[in-house]
Amino acid sequence: QQPVQSPQAVILREGEDAVINCSSSKALYSVHWYRQKHGEAPVFLMILLKGGEQKGHDKISASFNEKKQQSSLYLTASQLSYSGTYFCGTDPPSSASKIIFGSGTRLSIRP
Amino acid sequence: NAGVTQTPKFQVLKTGQSMTLQCAQDMNHNSMYWYRQDPGMGLRLIYYSASEGTTDKGEVPNGYNVSRLNKREFSLRLESAAPSQTSVYFCASSESVGGYYGYTFGSGTRLTVV
Repeated sequence: QQPVQSPQAVILREGEDAVINCSSSKALYSVHWYRQKHGEAPVFLMILLKGGEQKGHDKISASFNEKKQQSSLYLTASQLSYSGTYFCGTDPPSSASKIIFGSGTRLSIRP
Repeated sequence: NAGVTQTPKFQVLKTGQSMTLQCAQDMNHNSMYWYRQDPGMGLRLIYYSASEGTTDKGEVPNGYNVSRLNKREFSLRLESAAPSQTSVYFCASSESVGGYYGYTFGSGTRLTVV
């Protein structure tokens, strides 16, 4: 049931864009996105509840393709502060609404 | 603005010892969770409590027990620690089990079992 994230790791230069994908083998009610900096707790970024929904704040946005059972996180004009590990969490019908997290995508931003 | 408070922050146990990890939230959230995080494995759900008075198993419950003491507190107990339980443990809470306003995580407990 664990969603699959890709890529596992990405290295960018400051100002470049990145896309992180999250896919599930099961239909989803919702998709969460979190960021975790080294040695810290994960921090909630956003949740997408409906197919076709897109959300964002600052230069981080996400989309949710319900039919394809996948979500993508978009980071544009990346900043050094965007470094960290990004996790998606999914909520398939069989999970009784509890969130199952992917294994994470490590994002490193270089000056 | 404490949010979710976990104690202790670090712990070293010998194989076979027992201990309880404490978690308390001050956001009046209904649902609480215990996750473990191992390198390359992401966050795996151990147990959760959808509301006060209820607890349910997650993905990896073996070797653990939990108690939802009241609405604020949710503890995780290791009865007989094993080296495979060396991990970082995170407690989290949310308004509802669907977490539609997101989960708030504590700062974690780093547990080493030798």
